[in-house]
Amino acid sequence: DAKTTQPNSMESNEEEPVHLPCNHSTISGTDYIHWYRQLPSQGPEYVIHGLTSNVNNRMASLAIAEDRKSSTLILHRATLRDAAVYYCILRYGGSQGNLIFGKGTKLSVKP
Amino acid sequence: NAGVTQTPKFQVLKTGQSMTLQCAQDMNHEYMSWYRQDPGMGLRLIHYSVGAGITDQGEVPNGYNVSRSTTEDFPLRLLSAAPSQTSVYFCASSYSQGGGYEQYFGPGTRLTVT
Repeated sequence: DAKTTQPNSMESNEEEPVHLPCNHSTISGTDYIHWYRQLPSQGPEYVIHGLTSNVNNRMASLAIAEDRKSSTLILHRATLRDAAVYYCILRYGGSQGNLIFGKGTKLSVKP
Repeated sequence: NAGVTQTPKFQVLKTGQSMTLQCAQDMNHEYMSWYRQDPGMGLRLIHYSVGAGITDQGEVPNGYNVSRSTTEDFPLRLLSAAPSQTSVYFCASSYSQGGGYEQYFGPGTRLTVT
């Protein structure tokens, strides 16, 4: 499975944008980039995913580099509820697409 | 839709006891999986299933059994509980195992083995 590299932790101020980086230099052409987050004492929650083009949904935006070796999850206005561990995961596009979790980035949001 | 449901929420076992963690989904998803999460760690894949009657091992399958007799249910059995199996267990489902589909997680079962 292709691996991802994320910072261990990041801090943000409430109501400011947050850019969470992820490096995946060994990504293959059929790997999708997935982001999940886990709030304290809860199960992981799907945030967004993409293949080649940038993606937007009601929770966040995903910016994918042109060479696909890195991506950035963008939270447009951080709230206290966004404090969580964020996982960037490559999911194979074929029939063996298990989600393999790393350690993620712990995001703290200050009021 | 209830999504992915797990029972029980909490469980305490003695070493050597067996039990079954229940997982159900009502989204008609073909792919289901089980993870465990130890304190301060990421999730590790135990077993997964790509459809009724089909299961396979993940990263940490030892000490666990699974079966998939229906699309909706994917129980996880601990054969002889050990303290090393103290963890939080999450069940998840997805329309397909393919990368283009998001995965939905249950709320988890907190298991303590004494």
